[in-house]
Amino acid sequence: AQSVTQLDSHVSVSEGTPVLLRCNYSSSYSPSLFWYVQHPNKGLQLLLKYTSAATLVKGINGFEAEFKKSETSFHLTKPSAHMSDAAEYFCVVSDHKGGGADGLTFGKGTHLIIQP
Amino acid sequence: DGGITQSPKYLFRKEGQNVTLSCEQNLNHDAMYWYRQDPGQGLRLIYYSQIVNDFQKGDIAEGYSVSREKKESFPLTVTSAQKNPTAFYLCASTPQWGTEAFFGQGTRLTVV
Repeated sequence: AQSVTQLDSHVSVSEGTPVLLRCNYSSSYSPSLFWYVQHPNKGLQLLLKYTSAATLVKGINGFEAEFKKSETSFHLTKPSAHMSDAAEYFCVVSDHKGGGADGLTFGKGTHLIIQP
Repeated sequence: DGGITQSPKYLFRKEGQNVTLSCEQNLNHDAMYWYRQDPGQGLRLIYYSQIVNDFQKGDIAEGYSVSREKKESFPLTVTSAQKNPTAFYLCASTPQWGTEAFFGQGTRLTVV
């Protein structure tokens, strides 16, 4: 079985300051990990993904995440927040195992607020 | 452009009615999913299908039904047995089980 925990339901930062959204996971296998962003009343858009290649993954819009197996973490960061980054962010894990509903497991989301 | 199309964007249902949400993809993906999203609860899996003419219940299938007669289409019916259907519904597809998912823009269903 696999699970994802997003450690903060809400994060508030000032525009131009760094962003850190935290995610811990558990998986019985070597997982793939994803971060998605969702703007209000929209679908989810992939920000970045880790699939057992480089542990530091760069995504769109200046976001990046580092896979740390020893800490079972996959935290999302951005050096400088923009107002347009305000959205809901989801951490997702997959262990690629079929035969059940465990294909993708979603965290409960972190709401990112950007203060002007 | 390839993608997933959900329709309608907004849907209103009277109590006791069945309604069907459409999901079409032209990505040639095998697996398709329906999720329900409620505030503060993330995404919960309703049904999924790995291949045409086959589908499986997810975590919250009660009150919902699906069909997968074509690879491109995975409609979701919200039946009158679903007691609290007001939510945002998202359809997704993946090229292989458990890999990166592509999402539609969602349908917001409201019971009136």
